[in-house]
Amino acid sequence: SQTIHQWPATLVQPVGSPLSLECTVEGTSNPNLYWYRQAAGRGLQLLFYSVGIGQISSEVPQNLSASRPQDRQFILSSKKLLLSDSGFYLCAWSPTRPGTQYFGPGTRLLVL
Amino acid sequence: AQKITQTQPGMFVQEKEAVTLDCTYDTSDQSYGLFWYKQPSSGEMIFLIYQGSYDEQNATEGRYSLNFQKARKSANLVISASQLGDSAMYFCAMREHSFGNEKLTFGTGTRLTIIP
Repeated sequence: SQTIHQWPATLVQPVGSPLSLECTVEGTSNPNLYWYRQAAGRGLQLLFYSVGIGQISSEVPQNLSASRPQDRQFILSSKKLLLSDSGFYLCAWSPTRPGTQYFGPGTRLLVL
Repeated sequence: AQKITQTQPGMFVQEKEAVTLDCTYDTSDQSYGLFWYKQPSSGEMIFLIYQGSYDEQNATEGRYSLNFQKARKSANLVISASQLGDSAMYFCAMREHSFGNEKLTFGTGTRLTIIP
């Protein structure tokens, strides 16, 4: 069966510091991968998605970036965090062909 | 304009009663998919049910059913015999079949609280 992991689970970072969140998927190959952000008490906003290694599409211009160095690894990064980057970050995967998106456990990021 | 609208920010329901969570959507695509996810306080998003735009019958998954009314562009989630563990945020989402991607657009959610 497929599983999706995210780490860290919780992160507190100062403004201006770098960020690296990691997401890995097991039990499938060539998945579509997604990064979402959820602000407190709100719905999900799609940040990035990837249909293959090195292929990244950005939905919202901001100081975040994403990379996919391996088939089942998706990384969300920032060189300098802003206060507004605080939130709950969720990674998701779906089969290559049209399918349901399945989410990881999420990372809670607090920027102080 | 919002593509997914959930008009109920919060609902309180007595345990064992049925509950309907509303969702309306807006799309010009003929082919699309509708999803419901549950988000408990732990934060993870749990997939509940899916309805394709060409599916003739309403989707059902255990105690969950989706009341799909295509002409009205509504996709309400019905939970039968509610349980205390159903207390959570519920999100409706739509996937439009744009070429090359499978983007989901989410509503703002409904917080459901089951009262013992």
